[in-house]
Amino acid sequence: NAGVTQTPKFQVLKTGQSMTLQCAQDMNHEYMSWYRQDPGMGLRLIHYSVGAGITDQGEVPNGYNVSRSTTEDFPLRLLSAAPSQTSVYFCASSYSGTFGTEAFFGQGTRLTVV
Amino acid sequence: AQSVTQLDSQVPVFEEAPVELRCNYSSSVSVYLFWYVQYPNQGLQLLLKYLSGSTLVESINGFEAEFNKSQTSFHLRKPSVHISDTAEYFCAVRETSGSRLTFGEGTQLTVNP
Repeated sequence: NAGVTQTPKFQVLKTGQSMTLQCAQDMNHEYMSWYRQDPGMGLRLIHYSVGAGITDQGEVPNGYNVSRSTTEDFPLRLLSAAPSQTSVYFCASSYSGTFGTEAFFGQGTRLTVV
Repeated sequence: AQSVTQLDSQVPVFEEAPVELRCNYSSSVSVYLFWYVQYPNQGLQLLLKYLSGSTLVESINGFEAEFNKSQTSFHLRKPSVHISDTAEYFCAVRETSGSRLTFGEGTQLTVNP
């Protein structure tokens, strides 16, 4: 059981480049989300999805796009990378609503934008 | 809207000493409460959670947390810490009717020999 898998683990981008961070889960969870972790700021929600075809913005969505074409996958796209997007990114998944409340996290993607 | 405040950004302690990591939350509706732990260069793992029932919840490695509704707190405690408990700890809240988790800023626990 792989749980939540994120790729790549590390990435260096130049300012203005675009890229996609991949996230896949094999637990048939409806709810998936992306967070960024910055020192002293905890985890901040970027985008989330409550099911295939449904996405919504979180706390810090600017500069990021998401889509959810399948239950398993929830990629995060950086449209034009900026140094302010240097961070550690975590994908998480869980069942929706009151059934099964624990969120499972991937191992993270450490992104540096130069 | 909900929010979480972790009152200490860093907590250094000596091995075998007791520790308390403080967490306060704000919400206008019923919530579930969580503590997650993050070891260096790893993702977050669930440590313990409060859903309903007994206000005192325990983890398998000796941590416990008490839900205090009147003080809107969910402090994490351990009576005797080990070097291996060194990690960052995150308090999180979720509305009982939703799925969105809101995290606190995190507390770095460092256990020194």
